[in-house]
Amino acid sequence: AQSVTQLDSQVPVFEEAPVELRCNYSSSVSVYLFWYVQYPNQGLQLLLKYLSGSTLVKGINGFEAEFNKSQTSFHLRKPSVHISDTAEYFCAVSEGAQKLVFGQGTRLTINP
Amino acid sequence: GAVVSQHPSWVICKSGTSVKIECRSLDFQATTMFWYRQFPKQSLMLMATSNEGSKATYEQGVEKDKFLINHASLTLSTLTVTSAHPEDSSFYICSARDGDLFRGNQPQHFGDGTRLSIL
Repeated sequence: AQSVTQLDSQVPVFEEAPVELRCNYSSSVSVYLFWYVQYPNQGLQLLLKYLSGSTLVKGINGFEAEFNKSQTSFHLRKPSVHISDTAEYFCAVSEGAQKLVFGQGTRLTINP
Repeated sequence: GAVVSQHPSWVICKSGTSVKIECRSLDFQATTMFWYRQFPKQSLMLMATSNEGSKATYEQGVEKDKFLINHASLTLSTLTVTSAHPEDSSFYICSARDGDLFRGNQPQHFGDGTRLSIL
């Protein structure tokens, strides 16, 4: 069975500093990987996805993630964060079936 | 593109009433839609997979008779919380996948959620 672990429940960062949100997954087969962002009282917005090909994936709002098969990781990064990046971030995995399995979420807080 | 509209965004009602939540794909057809429940400061829990023209597939532990799902068209799925009680209060989110039913590489697009409060 698939599972997703987001190692940090909360990440506080100063504005304009870099940030990395960690995500590890477990699966016995090839997977598709996603990062979503959730702002307060809203649904989820897709940041980026890894399906195949290049292991470095670029998404919206300046975010990128790197798929590392040997370490079963898909960490999300941004070189310089803004106040508006304050939100909850979810890593998710799909094994080619319909369902998404979500991690527990990481709350990113940007301090001025 | 790929916009999912969820309505209503906020519902407050008395215990014992039934509440219907609508999920619409506005600019694409969705053979499959998903219903999630999210508790405060927690992740999303998949409740059921809604399939157009057939019965929904419920996750283990989700009461089918409590959470009725209807997917009558390729752009609309509804979730009805029947005889709602305070423990049903939660944030409910729907999503839809744009693309072939069996292609898991298509991302899900999410509605903005419905906050349900049962008094």
